[in-house]
Amino acid sequence: DVKVTQSSRYLVKRTGEKVFLECVQDMDHENMFWYRQDPGLGLRLIYFSYDVKMKEKGDIPEGYSVSREKKERFSLILESASTNQTSMYLCASSFQSTGGYHFFGPGTRLTVT
Amino acid sequence: GDSVTQMEGPVTLSEEAFLTINCTYTATGYPSLFWYVQYPGEGLQLLLKATKADDKGSNKGFEATYRKETTSFHLEKGSVQVSDSAVYFCALSDQGFQKLVFGTGTRLLVSP
Repeated sequence: DVKVTQSSRYLVKRTGEKVFLECVQDMDHENMFWYRQDPGLGLRLIYFSYDVKMKEKGDIPEGYSVSREKKERFSLILESASTNQTSMYLCASSFQSTGGYHFFGPGTRLTVT
Repeated sequence: GDSVTQMEGPVTLSEEAFLTINCTYTATGYPSLFWYVQYPGEGLQLLLKATKADDKGSNKGFEATYRKETTSFHLEKGSVQVSDSAVYFCALSDQGFQKLVFGTGTRLLVSP
């Protein structure tokens, strides 16, 4: 059974903390993505990666960075968490050949207090 | 830039009713179009897709047709079930890195 797993389902952090969200896929996908989901706004792309050590900014990269040292793992880093980063974070992966057919993880609900 | 607009929710229906969720898009080039579904407490999963004009995607009784002339990809189902209660997202992907642009989502509530 193919899977995208995320390190935590729920996370509570304090303002100013450095936060790491981890995502692992077991499908040998080239592409990996981090989206943020907020009510009334749908999903918005933060960063994506199309190969190991490669990364591209999405629509809302400010306050975030990413790391992809291995093909199966894509990490999202909040350098200094702020309350406006309280949200649901969804990781996804896909083959480059399948044009948008994403497999999503279950999400991490992050609360910054 | 590219964008997707879908109808506001929630959509509330009785079991066996007909469902339509409207979706229109703005894009340069020739995007692929998708409907994703999110069941409570889960991540998104692909429901159906269409890659070119006049293609019809279908799955689990749901259908959507890629209409280039009206830039639309409306989701339909002839008879909904309680188990269809979920949030439905319309999305398009570009032809480059295939990242997705999503609509805001439409919550469907089906009562027995």
